[in-house]
Amino acid sequence: QSVLTQPPSVSGTPGQRVIISCSGSSSNIGSNTVSWYQQFPGTAPKLLIHNNDQRAGVPDRFSGSKSGTSASLAISGLQSEDEAEYYCAAWDDSLNGPHVIFGGGTKLTVL
Amino acid sequence: QLQLQESGPGLVKPSETLSLSCIVSGDSISNRRYYWGWVRQPPGKGLEWIGSFFSSGKTYYNPSVKSRVTIFVDTSKSQFSLSLSSVTAADTAVYYCARGTGFGDYFYYYLDVWGKGTPVTVSS
Repeated sequence: QSVLTQPPSVSGTPGQRVIISCSGSSSNIGSNTVSWYQQFPGTAPKLLIHNNDQRAGVPDRFSGSKSGTSASLAISGLQSEDEAEYYCAAWDDSLNGPHVIFGGGTKLTVL
Repeated sequence: QLQLQESGPGLVKPSETLSLSCIVSGDSISNRRYYWGWVRQPPGKGLEWIGSFFSSGKTYYNPSVKSRVTIFVDTSKSQFSLSLSSVTAADTAVYYCARGTGFGDYFYYYLDVWGKGTPVTVSS
């Protein structure tokens, strides 16, 4: 079970703005940076956002933010090609040793 | 342009060791800005980070597989490898190799380049 909690699904219509949340704890999001990945079926994940809010060469329709132990990915001007799975990730400083954890993923549907 | 290509057997028997390699082209595997890691995705499920090998020699592993996993780098071949012992059906997944980029401490690193992934099935 993922330590980072994401909604299983979100949806929106073309042109709308959607937000995907990612909830963690003080040992991960609360103390480390967050990255976001986009994955289409049958393909490798692609980096969208790193260091909480830094875009990785993607359109400025995609934006990231972090507050406390939660982070969010906002997609504005929704387009049909944005329909994909989205994952958040962060390092977790657990007693078992530092490691990266992913959220469970959020399926974005463009209606 | 960095490219990563996974290779290895697509079928492994239960209790055996899964061995995968990732060839790095387009950049130096010795670049100290990077780490080299593995992520897997079971069928129909989400992403699971397996571990990383930093150019400093430091490794970090997911506690869920830590007792069974080793990641190592062969700079002469410009490749890094994953070894996962005592596999079970739960290890069936698409395995991705990836590069981590960042500065400073490990928690500033993120995965910026991914291989296409290679499917591995654990079955007798």
